[in-house]
Amino acid sequence: EAQVTQNPRYLITVTGKKLTVTCSQNMNHEYMSWYRQDPGLGLRQIYYSMNVEVTDKGDVPEGYKVSRKEKRNFPLILESPSPNQTSLYFCASSLSGRGRARYNYGYTFGSGTRLTVV
Amino acid sequence: ELKVEQNPLFLSMQEGKNYTIYCNYSTTSDRLYWYRQDPGKSLESLFVLLSNGAVKQEGRLMASLDTKARLSTLHITAAVHDLSATYFCAVDTDSNYQLIWGAGTKLIIKP
Repeated sequence: EAQVTQNPRYLITVTGKKLTVTCSQNMNHEYMSWYRQDPGLGLRQIYYSMNVEVTDKGDVPEGYKVSRKEKRNFPLILESPSPNQTSLYFCASSLSGRGRARYNYGYTFGSGTRLTVV
Repeated sequence: ELKVEQNPLFLSMQEGKNYTIYCNYSTTSDRLYWYRQDPGKSLESLFVLLSNGAVKQEGRLMASLDTKARLSTLHITAAVHDLSATYFCAVDTDSNYQLIWGAGTKLIIKP
């Protein structure tokens, strides 16, 4: 089944303790992205990746890191989480970051990770 | 700065009624997406609108795009309870391959 898999689904952690949220897709998609969702704010993009070893900042990158060493994986790293990073996080992928292919097929989202930082 | 505004943000309606959700955006784009989200769930793609005048329909939902007015609409016909969800529009940008999202419209359909 074609899908985007995020882990974990739920995570409670303490301020300052490094964590990683994993994202993997099995569709050979070039483009991957991380979003956070907060009530009343819609989704805001954190980082995106056009392909292996190509990443760029979105609207709210502060406090986050990403890497794209393989095409299928795009982990989100919080080096020193703070309570204002408590949110619902989504990973998404798309066929291509350029050209009509991306636009035609849209984006596939993972199930989400609900993160609480205390 | 690109902004995407949805109206209304909250809508409670009776089954059988028709209604429209509006999505306005502030810059030129001819690519707009509609997604549905159920409580505690992920986002499900509903429509991909790729050109001015595009109209797509799926069941009781119909979406359209007017790039000159920078407006998309999601029309609900004869609403049923199963359509209760939060609906988001998102606009694709040319400059940096980002999707900019509206705040969402929470739709509650009462029997």
